[in-house]
Amino acid sequence: GEDVEQSLFLSVREGDSSVINCTYTDSSSTYLYWYKQEPGAGLQLLTYIFSNMDMKQDQRLTVLLNKKDKHLSLRIADTQTGDSAIYFCAESSSGGSYIPTFGRGTSLIVHP
Amino acid sequence: DGGITQSPKYLFRKEGQNVTLSCEQNLNHDAMYWYRQDPGQGLRLIYYSQIVNDFQKGDIAEGYSVSREKKESFPLTVTSAQKNPTAFYLCASSPTGGANVLTFGAGSRLTVL
Repeated sequence: GEDVEQSLFLSVREGDSSVINCTYTDSSSTYLYWYKQEPGAGLQLLTYIFSNMDMKQDQRLTVLLNKKDKHLSLRIADTQTGDSAIYFCAESSSGGSYIPTFGRGTSLIVHP
Repeated sequence: DGGITQSPKYLFRKEGQNVTLSCEQNLNHDAMYWYRQDPGQGLRLIYYSQIVNDFQKGDIAEGYSVSREKKESFPLTVTSAQKNPTAFYLCASSPTGGANVLTFGAGSRLTVL
């Protein structure tokens, strides 16, 4: 199976909360990241969390980490049409020289 | 402003031709990377370099070559040996240490005709 798995699509209504989920297999993962990609562009870091944390909040973004279940989630509060993009989960560990391994990305579609 | 510049943005190639994609960064980052992105497949690592004059193969290096003669530059050559080169190519860089956060370029889209 894949090292990092995400569902491919999520559709939400403007103003609702979005929750994008990710699971990973490497129990030694040290850093877990969320990147955002807008159409035809590169990726930009949204946030990352160190593996000894279970939550990180940054304005409208909340990251939850369940290390036991190897599950990471990104919650976007008050989702706007400008949040429509592909969201990538990634993990890195010392065994991989801290080079991120990316999931396939979740396409978030926000309806007005 | 510091950042990563990839060129060209769009490139068309005939089968059997080699092409070189440029990647330049002025962030003073030690490490640089090339990823390939295909629809629905996420990002796959082609090559990476953690220091000048040294580079390592990633997961899908076959049919590609790189060089790292300068800290700022990490060009990728897509050779005629690459069986399915049509894709979106992303270059990234990161500083040494810490959380290894990658900064990405805007990407280059290669189409083989």
